[in-house]
Amino acid sequence: NAGVTQTPKFRVLKTGQSMTLLCAQDMNHEYMYWYRQDPGMGLRLIHYSVGEGTTAKGEVPDGYNVSRLKKQNFLLGLESAAPSQTSVYFCASRATDGTDTQYFGPGTRLTVL
Amino acid sequence: GQSLEQPSEVTAVEGAIVQINCTYQTSGFYGLSWYQQHDGGAPTFLSYNALDGLEETGRFSSFLSRSDSYGYLLLQELQMKDSASYFCAVAYQAGTALIFGKGTTLSVSS
Repeated sequence: NAGVTQTPKFRVLKTGQSMTLLCAQDMNHEYMYWYRQDPGMGLRLIHYSVGEGTTAKGEVPDGYNVSRLKKQNFLLGLESAAPSQTSVYFCASRATDGTDTQYFGPGTRLTVL
Repeated sequence: GQSLEQPSEVTAVEGAIVQINCTYQTSGFYGLSWYQQHDGGAPTFLSYNALDGLEETGRFSSFLSRSDSYGYLLLQELQMKDSASYFCAVAYQAGTALIFGKGTTLSVSS
């Protein structure tokens, strides 16, 4: 039982390049989330999904797209990376058991030059 | 809109007790959560309060007052390993998503 995994762990992009971050969970959770964390800003929700095939916008969705084609996977895409997207990205999943507990992956450290 | 306020930094010594406060403003309330994050690591769940009162889990307790839109995390018998950032979070979007405070950095010294 690996929990929540994220790939890659680190990435450096040039402005305008695109990339996809992959999140996978093996806990059969319905809800999955993508956050970004910047110094002094806490965790800000980018997009989330309440089930396979569904996605919704969070607090800071601009410049990102997501897809949830399979229940266990949640992909975050950057179509044209900008330096403002330099951040640490965390994925999380949550069971629908009323505990509100979110389980986080180890994070992806992204630098956009 | 939704907003949470918590102190940015707290310092304490080993063995002491520290309280981290959190006030929130939300349209609809579904519960207050606390998460711990060590430097460079992933946030981990500590506690959840849906109803008023105190929840205790070992050395950590969390309190909620819905009428005051206020909660706190109480850490007892502090240890060096408790040095970390602590985030309060409230659920919104009909309880499906969390909004986090900016975090409180706790530094425990010997």
